[in-house]
Amino acid sequence: GIQVEQSPPDLILQEGANSTLRCNFSDSVNNLQWFHQNPWGQLINLFYIPSGTKQNGRLSATTVATERYSLLYISSSQTTDSGVYFCAAPVGNQFYFGTGTSLTVIP
Amino acid sequence: NAGVTQTPKFQVLKTGQSMTLQCAQDMNHNSMYWYRQDPGMGLRLIYYSASEGTTDKGEVPNGYNVSRLNKREFSLRLESAAPSQTSVYFCASSVLRGRTDTQYFGPGTRLTVL
Repeated sequence: GIQVEQSPPDLILQEGANSTLRCNFSDSVNNLQWFHQNPWGQLINLFYIPSGTKQNGRLSATTVATERYSLLYISSSQTTDSGVYFCAAPVGNQFYFGTGTSLTVIP
Repeated sequence: NAGVTQTPKFQVLKTGQSMTLQCAQDMNHNSMYWYRQDPGMGLRLIYYSASEGTTDKGEVPNGYNVSRLNKREFSLRLESAAPSQTSVYFCASSVLRGRTDTQYFGPGTRLTVL
């Protein structure tokens, strides 16, 4: 398999602040997904992004496949953004997850 | 569409008991997965089924068995539960259309083994 590392492991933000989460992976991958796990435990797809940049509202993601990393940007953070953010990369039929970034947005 | 559903939501077992976790998806996806999530360790793949009729081991298969009953359903069985299997279990499915692949997750089953 591959190693997927996320940083930072924990992040506390004041509401309205911006943040960047990073995902590094040890080998070439064909695609990469970002997920948000809300405080109730539900895992929600954010982005499927094998390369380039995508935006969805206040969130955007960039993957630089040749350098084996992806970034998730959260702008104007809200308390509802709290939770754990995971990236995952597939190799063959298996997905490998990072250990996540735990984000807390305080009002 | 209900998406991916899992039953039960919560379960408490005694060491040595057996149980089956059920998962179903109504999105006509080909592939299905079982993960476990432990504190500080992210999600780890237990078993997956790339298509109906096939199953393969993931990263942590020991102590588990699976059955891909049909295209919709993928069950996970613990034959003799151990405290180390206390975890949150997630089922997921994906289309697996060539390189385009997005996973969708169920709500999870929180299992405690005493």
